Amino acid sequence: QVQLQESGPGLMKPSETLSLICTVSGGSVSGYYWSWIRQPAGKGLEWIGRLYASGTTNYNPSLKSRVTMSVDSSNNQFSLNLSSLTAADTAVYYCAREATATEGRCFDSWGQGTLVTVSS
Amino acid sequence: DIQMTQSPSSLSASVGDRVTIICRASQNITDYLNWYQQKPGKAPKALIYAASNLQSGVPSRFSGRGSGTDFTLTISSLQPEDFATYYCQQSYTTPRTFGQGTNLEIK
Repeated sequence: QVQLQESGPGLMKPSETLSLICTVSGGSVSGYYWSWIRQPAGKGLEWIGRLYASGTTNYNPSLKSRVTMSVDSSNNQFSLNLSSLTAADTAVYYCAREATATEGRCFDSWGQGTLVTVSS
Repeated sequence: DIQMTQSPSSLSASVGDRVTIICRASQNITDYLNWYQQKPGKAPKALIYAASNLQSGVPSRFSGRGSGTDFTLTISSLQPEDFATYYCQQSYTTPRTFGQGTNLEIK
């Protein structure tokens, strides 16, 4: 059973760059797409983007200019950088695994989520 | 982007009731439609993938149907642990998009 764990700072200032890491255990980052998804308090889910173990990325156009994702296969981790933070970026950030096409490409494994607050 | 619209946004029901949640896509997504359950303070949990396939370990009272643009999630007999928020999500193309959620409350 694969497990995911997000890590990173919980409090950021406006204009700073957020860096989050997702550590994968019980399985390899190889062979899957890995996504970042966020959820402001009391609101719905927003897909930020995804990356493949090869380094191929797809970003949400709404965030594309501020997002960078990368993978560290040797440590079974992948990361999210989100620049030029504003209060609107305050949310719980989740990492998730996307299943294969034969399994509907659903998000079948999720981290527990990490709350990021952007405030001066 | 493909817009996903769920109805209703909230629903009150009793233990034992049969409930259905509707999800509509703004364009044809074939059967690339997934359903998730989220409880307060927890990550979403996958229930149904590819419109009608039950994720491993999910009770058989959950079922999904549909293709193209119209989809449903049905819970045949509500149990106390089913009161939660439910989201649909399309995996046909990027950006991946979610419905706004349906909050299922105890009547």
